[in-house]
Amino acid sequence: KQEVTQIPAALSVPEGENLVLNCSFTDSAIYNLQWFRQDPGKGLTSLLLIQSSQREQTSGRLNASLDKSSGRSTLYIAASQPGDSATYLCAVRNRDDKIIFGKGTRLHILP
Amino acid sequence: GAVVSQHPSWVICKSGTSVKIECRSLDFQATTMFWYRQFPKQSLMLMATSNEGSKATYEQGVEKDKFLINHASLTLSTLTVTSAHPEDSSFYICSARPTSGGAYQETQYFGPGTRLLVL
Repeated sequence: KQEVTQIPAALSVPEGENLVLNCSFTDSAIYNLQWFRQDPGKGLTSLLLIQSSQREQTSGRLNASLDKSSGRSTLYIAASQPGDSATYLCAVRNRDDKIIFGKGTRLHILP
Repeated sequence: GAVVSQHPSWVICKSGTSVKIECRSLDFQATTMFWYRQFPKQSLMLMATSNEGSKATYEQGVEKDKFLINHASLTLSTLTVTSAHPEDSSFYICSARPTSGGAYQETQYFGPGTRLLVL
């Protein structure tokens, strides 16, 4: 059974710092891995999607990496801003088409 | 881009009543839709997979008689919470996978969610 773990559960950093969020999964037989952002009381915003054959994806200040063999992914946020404060969810899509989510990392950027 | 809508966005109801939540793919067809539930400060948990024209597949521990799913068209799936109780209060999110293209190529698009509060 696929399990997705995100570390840390919560993180507070001063504005302007670079930071890394970690995600690990137990079954490496995945189709893809996706990072989402969720603001309090809101739905999901897709940030980056990495196919199983890819190693990284970049969008603006965000960079996500994938090491499928070791079951790990990282989300790198450069030059953090207060507007980046949110919960970041890692999700893997299994071969049976089901998406399994981690519990998220609650990020707070201090102005 | 692909857009998925949910209606209503929030609902408050009395214990014992039934609540229907709609999930629509606005600009694409979706043979398969998924329903998730999120309790406060918890992650999203898959409840069931909804297939157009056939019965939904429920995850272990999810009562199929309590959470009725109907996927009558390629753009609409509904989740009905029957005889709702306070413990059913949660954030319900659906996702839809476009019908076209190979299965592993397509992503799932998520709706904005429906917040249910049962008094």
